[in-house]
Amino acid sequence: GDSVTQMEGPVTLSEEAFLTINCTYTATGYPSLFWYVQYPGEGLQLLLKATKADDKGSNKGFEATYRKETTSFHLEKGSVQVSDSAVYFCALSLDSNYQLIWGAGTKLIIKP
Amino acid sequence: EAQVTQNPRYLITVTGKKLTVTCSQNMNHEYMSWYRQDPGLGLRQIYYSMNVEVTDKGDVPEGYKVSRKEKRNFPLILESPSPNQTSLYFCASSLTGDSNQPQHFGDGTRLSIL
Repeated sequence: GDSVTQMEGPVTLSEEAFLTINCTYTATGYPSLFWYVQYPGEGLQLLLKATKADDKGSNKGFEATYRKETTSFHLEKGSVQVSDSAVYFCALSLDSNYQLIWGAGTKLIIKP
Repeated sequence: EAQVTQNPRYLITVTGKKLTVTCSQNMNHEYMSWYRQDPGLGLRQIYYSMNVEVTDKGDVPEGYKVSRKEKRNFPLILESPSPNQTSLYFCASSLTGDSNQPQHFGDGTRLSIL
C-alpha cells in the first residue's frame, strides 16, 4: 500500500547548522508531496509542497525537491534557528482520493 | 481571522462516558476531517466529510461517530470512550479536499480516557 517513511527523531542540532530530514514514499500513482510543521501546542500547518517530479517546494528558508527516481522528498535548510524547533511531517496525496497519507513525524530540537 | 476551532483543548474523563469534541471553521470550506495523533504513528484519519450530510470513514473509524449538519461544524462523538482512545485529536478543513489545497488544522484536543 501507499506509505511515507521519515527518519526517526529527535534530531538535535545547534543553531546555524545545516538540516536534512529524510522522507521516502511508496505510491502506486503519481502523488503530490507535502511537508507540514507542528509547533509546540499548535496544530499542523503546511510548510511546502511539490506536485510533480523535479518540482522544488520552498518556504521560510526550507526546501524539498520531489525526486521520482529515488521516491524521496527530503527537507533541507541551510541554517536553522531555535524557532525552527518543531515536529515535521512528510505526507503524500494521490489524485485518486482526497486523503493525506502521513509519515510518523520527526521532532527537531535546535539548541542555541 | 481564518481558523479552525476545537473544543475542548483538554479533557480527562472515564470509560463509557459519552463525549463530544466540537470543530468549527469560518472559511466556508467544504472538506473537513478528523485525525488522531499517536507517538510513532503520525496522523491517522478517523472520518472525513466532503460536504454537508456527506461523511466517510477514514483509516481508524471504530469507536467514533461524526455528523455534518452544517458546513461550518463537524463534531466528533465518542459514544462509549475507552482507554485506547486516549490521544491527541486534530480537526482540519480545506476548500474542497483537492490534494493541491492545504489543510488548515485546529490546535488539537488532548483526550485522556481513564
